[in-house]
Amino acid sequence: EDQVTQSPEALRLQEGESSSLNCSYTVSGLRGLFWYRQDPGKGPEFLFTLYSAGEEKEKERLKATLTKKESFLHITAPKPEDSATYLCAVQDANGSSNTGKLIFGQGTTLQVKP
Amino acid sequence: NAGVTQTPKFQVLKTGQSMTLQCAQDMNHNSMYWYRQDPGMGLRLIYYSASEGTTDKGEVPNGYNVSRLNKREFSLRLESAAPSQTSVYFCASSKYSYEQYFGPGTRLTVT
Repeated sequence: EDQVTQSPEALRLQEGESSSLNCSYTVSGLRGLFWYRQDPGKGPEFLFTLYSAGEEKEKERLKATLTKKESFLHITAPKPEDSATYLCAVQDANGSSNTGKLIFGQGTTLQVKP
Repeated sequence: NAGVTQTPKFQVLKTGQSMTLQCAQDMNHNSMYWYRQDPGMGLRLIYYSASEGTTDKGEVPNGYNVSRLNKREFSLRLESAAPSQTSVYFCASSKYSYEQYFGPGTRLTVT
């Protein structure tokens, strides 16, 4: 059964204190791994898609990496506006290629204090 | 482009009442999805429509029905609301089943 586990559940950082969020996944075949940001009271906002082990994507202070078992979202010198819940989702290549179904983790809530 | 829009933003229902949540996208996407988000449960897929004219059940379809009205619109209907359906509902769309783009959500309370 496809499964996505994110850790930690919550993370508090001081402004400028770099850290990483983890997303471990189990799928029979990975079609894609997706990172989203969700602010309170809003819908998830797409950040990155990773397709194969070794791939990396960057956007401002965020960098996403992928291995065969997990993905990391590295946050470099975070600012208070980076505070949000970060969601990870996977798409199984077996049976979902025409549907786009995603399996989501429960998210990591990041708080960055000034 | 407005992206994905959802109506209403908030709704309170009594047990047994029915309602339809509306979703529309203006990105010319072919696939559309309905999720619910509950504390501690994450986002769970209710129904999806891989293309116009098709709909399929997701992980938690019981108590819901959907209609893919055209390429732009995908509605979710609760025929007889129950307190267990109190949740935040999100609609999403994607092109060729890749990354999904989400709407702002509908916050539903069933008393």
